[in-house]
Amino acid sequence: EIVMTQSPPTLSVSPGESATLSCRASQSVGYNLAWYQQKPGQAPRLLIYGASKRATGIPARFIGSGSGTEFTLTISRLQSEDFVVYFCLHYNSWWRFGQGTKVEIK
Amino acid sequence: EVQLVESGGGLVQPGGSLRLSCAASGFTLSSYWMTWVRQAPGKGLEWVANINPDGNDKDFLDSVRGRFAISRDNARNSLYLQLNSLRTEDTAVYYCARMISGYVPDSWGQGTLVTVSS
Repeated sequence: EIVMTQSPPTLSVSPGESATLSCRASQSVGYNLAWYQQKPGQAPRLLIYGASKRATGIPARFIGSGSGTEFTLTISRLQSEDFVVYFCLHYNSWWRFGQGTKVEIK
Repeated sequence: EVQLVESGGGLVQPGGSLRLSCAASGFTLSSYWMTWVRQAPGKGLEWVANINPDGNDKDFLDSVRGRFAISRDNARNSLYLQLNSLRTEDTAVYYCARMISGYVPDSWGQGTLVTVSS
């Protein structure tokens, strides 16, 4: 069973700065990795799939990278609406979410 | 515009049953794999089940296999999740979602809350 581990659980960043979120897989998942943003009381929103492809309508400030077991979501020029929770997901052969990273205002 | 609207959640006693529905619009349901994902209160996301476009290929989370059933009616633009033998740990918001490009959930409904409690 593949386990997805996100770090850190909480990330404190100042508005306008950049945030780097990590997601690690317990075994190689190739490029089958997606990132979601979830605001309170709302459904998740797809940001990145295929490790680095931005979903429709997602700003270029959101950049996904990595392959195999190590993945990163970088959010540049953080805006007020970006201070929410982010999840990674391994998909295709099995579907496993990371436990989430909360980005909070420093 | 892609829209998914879940319904059918509610309060049920342990051991009880519920049938969740997901009404799809704005796209051709019969062309897509679909999935159910749940989120316990204050917790993370957990994949529950998938179904292929024809409805004859299904996958389930181990802890729900044999208790939950996923089905679809493409003619009615609807997806379903039958929840049987419910346990307190099944309490969650249940989301339906469409899958694209290698089985990535892209569009999600707003969710329906299932509460299992005596």
